[in-house]
Amino acid sequence: GAVVSQHPSWVICKSGTSVKIECRSLDFQATTMFWYRQFPKQSLMLMATSNEGSKATYEQGVEKDKFLINHASLTLSTLTVTSAHPEDSSFYICSARAWGSSYEQYFGPGTRLTVT
Amino acid sequence: RKEVEQDPGPFNVPEGATVAFNCTYSNSASQSFFWYRQDCRKEPKLLMSVYSSGNEDGRFTAQLNRASQYISLLIRDSKLSDSATYLCVVNKEDSSYKLIFGSGTRLLVRP
Repeated sequence: GAVVSQHPSWVICKSGTSVKIECRSLDFQATTMFWYRQFPKQSLMLMATSNEGSKATYEQGVEKDKFLINHASLTLSTLTVTSAHPEDSSFYICSARAWGSSYEQYFGPGTRLTVT
Repeated sequence: RKEVEQDPGPFNVPEGATVAFNCTYSNSASQSFFWYRQDCRKEPKLLMSVYSSGNEDGRFTAQLNRASQYISLLIRDSKLSDSATYLCVVNKEDSSYKLIFGSGTRLLVRP
């Protein structure tokens, strides 16, 4: 149980285009989903927290107009990187927390974004 | 000061060795502590939660010292498959269930 999927697993896009990444909890309902970014040789940095049916909460320094997050259902959250630039190239990982659970988060396999 | 600090390593040990990793955290109000394992270019996977009384899972033992704000992970009888980066993870004090990740300690187990 507690499986989280992400799609796509990797994507290459041109500078200036937008990319949407999906995060799904496959066998549980996720009231809260988290989006992280990880640059090479660095740890995961939390970008934003999204709760189903409400606006996402962004961490300091993360542009909410550039990284659009939608959590439309209890099993799906999407992250759209708008007007992508090469510096947005990174490993984007989502995680989900089940309703009523403790602090444990279940991670998706990540999406590797390369902006050329 | 980083919220969660770890020695980046790498720790290069032979198979069968015992190795220990340490981690310190800055927020005394943190309540939940974890060790995650991350393989290269993969997502982190939960290794074990860390409880105040200390806990053991097979070859892995985790300890928590709240007074010193210090967490440790001990791996006994290292296997080649233990080679990975070990992330110390702590929750933030508020109720948003946010997790703060350390930068990780890299372990290399050699034959």
